Amino acid sequence: GDSVTQMEGPVTLSEEAFLTINCTYTATGYPSLFWYVQYPGEGLQLLLKATKADDKGSNKGFEATYRKETTSFHLEKGSVQVSDSAVYFCALSPGLAGSARQLTFGSGTQLTVLP
Amino acid sequence: NAGVTQTPKFRILKIGQSMTLQCTQDMNHNYMYWYRQDPGMGLKLIYYSVGAGITDKGEVPNGYNVSRSTTEDFPLRLELAAPSQTSVYFCASSYSGGTNYGYTFGSGTRLTVV
Repeated sequence: GDSVTQMEGPVTLSEEAFLTINCTYTATGYPSLFWYVQYPGEGLQLLLKATKADDKGSNKGFEATYRKETTSFHLEKGSVQVSDSAVYFCALSPGLAGSARQLTFGSGTQLTVLP
Repeated sequence: NAGVTQTPKFRILKIGQSMTLQCTQDMNHNYMYWYRQDPGMGLKLIYYSVGAGITDKGEVPNGYNVSRSTTEDFPLRLELAAPSQTSVYFCASSYSGGTNYGYTFGSGTRLTVV
């Protein structure tokens, strides 16, 4: 079945540091890929998405590129802020027409940014 | 626009008790989902629904039941609570058309079974 593997956390960075959170996936067909963010005590929020190979999703300074050849969707940000401290989840949705498109999530990566 | 609303936010149950977690969305989404999130783990799908009157099991359905009598509501029922059901529960909904979509999540229900 489909699966998503994220880099182990937690990750601790200083403000303005460069961030990479690795994500690789296993899926049949052409899935859509997502990054969700969960701030303390809240539900998950969609951060960015990509629906086909070589697409780049971006939002709030975060970027991720859908790499079909390496089955990856790594999250990057050039300069993190304290307010970026949260748990980040990589997820995929099967690209099957007519399916329920339920998301498969990675285990999450806790990011802490220190001032 | 409230999005996805879950109640209650917190609950403590004794072993063997039952309860219903409520979920309502006002976006006219056809698809709704229940996930549980255990500490340090990703979200696991419990049940989902593709429309009123239609439900199906996800990855971890044992010990739970759902119903979908309206488009807006998708309650999750725990009949005989067990400590293994201690978790944070998230309801989500999505638009059914096309591939360019994502989920809208509720803020979660933190359940402790003692």
